[in-house]
Amino acid sequence: NTKITQSPRYLILGRANKSLECEQHLGHNAMYWYKQSAEKPPELMFLYNLKQLIRNETVPSRFIPECPDSSKLLLHISAVDPEDSAVYFCASSPSPGGGNTGQLYFGEGSKLTVL
Amino acid sequence: DAKTTQPDSMESTEGETVHLPCSHATISGNEYIYWYRQVPLQGPEYVTHGLQQNTTNSMAFLAIASDRKSSTLILTHVSLRDAAVYHCILTNYGNEKITFGAGTKLTIKP
Repeated sequence: NTKITQSPRYLILGRANKSLECEQHLGHNAMYWYKQSAEKPPELMFLYNLKQLIRNETVPSRFIPECPDSSKLLLHISAVDPEDSAVYFCASSPSPGGGNTGQLYFGEGSKLTVL
Repeated sequence: DAKTTQPDSMESTEGETVHLPCSHATISGNEYIYWYRQVPLQGPEYVTHGLQQNTTNSMAFLAIASDRKSSTLILTHVSLRDAAVYHCILTNYGNEKITFGAGTKLTIKP
């Protein structure tokens, strides 16, 4: 899937600060961050619509999202914790919740390993 | 969102037809049934969705019970590439939060 690109794909950190990036080339208005821990389903973290944060699930304050424009999504992580080890997926859809097709498109994920 | 129930795992053999069940006894009238699948190291991928009528596309056939309390995703002539976790999700248009459950892990034998 080259329509949603995420970087970096793999990230190994000590207790440092880092940012994950996502860009979608689908012209969608809604963008999401999902977290998937080992052996668990993806869980919604944040949802943006037209660059506005409209959904903020219970996420530690060390995770700060940013949506500089409607095609880009960032996730800034500070002082990571071992429990943050997971794959972080970016997704997009025409409108929040998938729009009239209900379909979300996912990127390939960024795997974060915290030492 | 109404809750769905799926078996934890299922197994099949290449070339066979697989029926993946999903129970959603408390589904609301305006909730659609969506299926996504996820292979290791990749994000979830949309498979199909439906409201009341059976639907079909290049990936699968979705059979929806007349009372809408259950549905079955039917995969024909499965190959090794169909091995994945299949998620059955209920959502209505305008519902911002798409919630994934544990899904069914489908294993395909050569």
